[in-house]
Amino acid sequence: AQSVTQLGSHVSVSEGALVLLRCNYSSSVPPYLFWYVQYPNQGLQLLLKYTSAATLVKGINGFEAEFKKSETSFHLTKPSAHMSDAAEYFCAVIASGSNYKLTFGKGTLLTVNP
Amino acid sequence: DAGVIQSPRHEVTEMGQEVTLRCKPISGHNSLFWYRQTMMRGLELLIYFNNNVPIDDSGMPEDRFSAKMPNASFSTLKIQPSEPRDSAVYFCASSAVGSAGELFFGEGSRLTVL
Repeated sequence: AQSVTQLGSHVSVSEGALVLLRCNYSSSVPPYLFWYVQYPNQGLQLLLKYTSAATLVKGINGFEAEFKKSETSFHLTKPSAHMSDAAEYFCAVIASGSNYKLTFGKGTLLTVNP
Repeated sequence: DAGVIQSPRHEVTEMGQEVTLRCKPISGHNSLFWYRQTMMRGLELLIYFNNNVPIDDSGMPEDRFSAKMPNASFSTLKIQPSEPRDSAVYFCASSAVGSAGELFFGEGSRLTVL
């Protein structure tokens, strides 16, 4: 079954610093990949998605992710962290042969220090 | 536009009691999902409806859990009898036709079973 692995359950950065959240996928075919964000006491919100149209995907709030087939990675980045980016971030993949079943990673909690 | 609406936001009950969680998806969305989120297991898909029909309930933990979608604008998740290990945040999410993986989540129902 397809899955994603998020490296680092907790990432801490200073305000203005680069944000890098890591996600690797396991798939024998090009998958559909997603990043979701969850703010405290809220549901998840879609940040961006990769569907093979372009390897560099831009999302909301200045985030972007790059699909690298050779590394089976889909890391999330933002050039300059803002305090409001503090949240938990989830990488997710659509299961092969499915058009609905999202499998989520364990999540990475991003802390932004002033 | 109203998003996915869930009720109640918080529920505290005693072991053995029946719990009913409710969800109103976004109007026009034809897919509805129930997820459970816990620290130990992360996000788990419980059941998926398409056009009000249950398509995949393989994630429903056991017979104590049941879900219904009597019409396009309402779904329930019922636990009877409830147990302490059912304590979690339950999310409802909906998506539109042709937007695989693009889920809109409600704010969740936090269930505590004593």
